[in-house]
Amino acid sequence: GESVGLHLPTLSVQEGDNSIINCAYSNSASDYFIWYKQESGKGPQFIIDIRSNMDKRQGQRVTVLLNKTVKHLSLQIAATQPGDSAVYFCAERNQGGKLIFGQGTELSVKP
Amino acid sequence: EPEVTQTPSHQVTQMGQEVILRCVPISNHLYFYWYRQILGQKVEFLVSFYNNEISEKSEIFDDQFSVERPDGSNFTLKIRSTKLEDSAMYFCASSPGTGNTEAFFGQGTRLTVV
Repeated sequence: GESVGLHLPTLSVQEGDNSIINCAYSNSASDYFIWYKQESGKGPQFIIDIRSNMDKRQGQRVTVLLNKTVKHLSLQIAATQPGDSAVYFCAERNQGGKLIFGQGTELSVKP
Repeated sequence: EPEVTQTPSHQVTQMGQEVILRCVPISNHLYFYWYRQILGQKVEFLVSFYNNEISEKSEIFDDQFSVERPDGSNFTLKIRSTKLEDSAMYFCASSPGTGNTEAFFGQGTRLTVV
């Protein structure tokens, strides 16, 4: 069946440290993945995406890694800031556009 | 920057009443979606809509729910005879295409059924 899940429900990091948020997916046919950030009371906000023909993609302070062998995604945030505090979801998108979200990891940044 | 807008931001309704949640997708987008998020849980897909018809729906999207694009700009979700368990955040999303393209989300409508 289809499922996308996250390994850890909470992550606490010190300001300035790097953060790594992990995600596992089960559908080996998945070919497009997105990381979303959700702040309290707001809708999911796109952070970065990656296609299955890539292993790594970098954005501004964020990097997504894809390991298709073990069906694992990770989001790395460099020099984490208080404004990065939020819940982070990975999502798999099917060809029809439907997003299947993981459970979410709450990132807390300590000043 | 174009954005998806949703109204109202918060809706309180009595059990058994009908509610209509409204969304204005980004103007040049062709694919529209509704998702819901029960407090503290993950975001769940409800329905996708393209070319004036439903293209995919989840098990959650039963006969109690319906969607409509009544004009060129609005996209609505109607919930008939609301139940307590319908209380959740409802998010509208739109995208220019499917597959490997980003979906943009609105800020959500918090529905509280009492």
